[in-house]
Amino acid sequence: ENVLTQSPGTLSLSPGERATLSCRASQSVSSGYLAWYQQKPGQAPSLLIYGASSRATGIPDRFSGSGSGTDFTLTISRLEPEDFAVYYCQQYGSSIPYTFGQGTKLEIK
Amino acid sequence: EVQLVESGGGLVQPGGSLRLSCAGSGFSFNSYWMTWVRQTPGKGLEWVANIKEDGSEKYYVDSVKGRFTISRDNAKNSLYLQMSSLRAEDTALYYCARGQILTLWGQGTLVTVSS
Repeated sequence: ENVLTQSPGTLSLSPGERATLSCRASQSVSSGYLAWYQQKPGQAPSLLIYGASSRATGIPDRFSGSGSGTDFTLTISRLEPEDFAVYYCQQYGSSIPYTFGQGTKLEIK
Repeated sequence: EVQLVESGGGLVQPGGSLRLSCAGSGFSFNSYWMTWVRQTPGKGLEWVANIKEDGSEKYYVDSVKGRFTISRDNAKNSLYLQMSSLRAEDTALYYCARGQILTLWGQGTLVTVSS
């Protein structure tokens, strides 16, 4: 099983600041099959990024993903109030099970 | 409206069985892999199982192999998860989701395994 470790567990920032979230895999993620999801309280997760760096439909360009192999990053360039949520990475495509990271909570400082 | 709606959750005793359903609408259900994901407060999100568009391939996380069965009925735009030999650690909010990249999620159905 490909274990994904996200850091930090909690990130405290202010609106307008830049957020950098990390996701590290225990095995290489083939073909960059890495996705990021956002989950707000009381809601289901929603897709932000797939293929490590492609934004899902309707996702604003302040969200960007990067990385390859075992190290991936989600960057939010300028935090908006609605961006404070929990973020999960997930690997998919070839390594069953398609594991998730444990999540990073982005909270308002 | 494009949506997924889960149902079938509830309280069940350890060792019992439960069948979850997920109804898709507003999209070509038979064109997508479908996935079950569960969420617990302590363990976050866990990928449970998925099934190919025509049902010919099915994959499971090790912890549910032999106990859970994923299936689909494309004529009814529906996905199912038959769960048996349920354990306390299966207690979770169960989501169905569209695709291998999870582009659409339902609102979830809560399964509680307790005596």
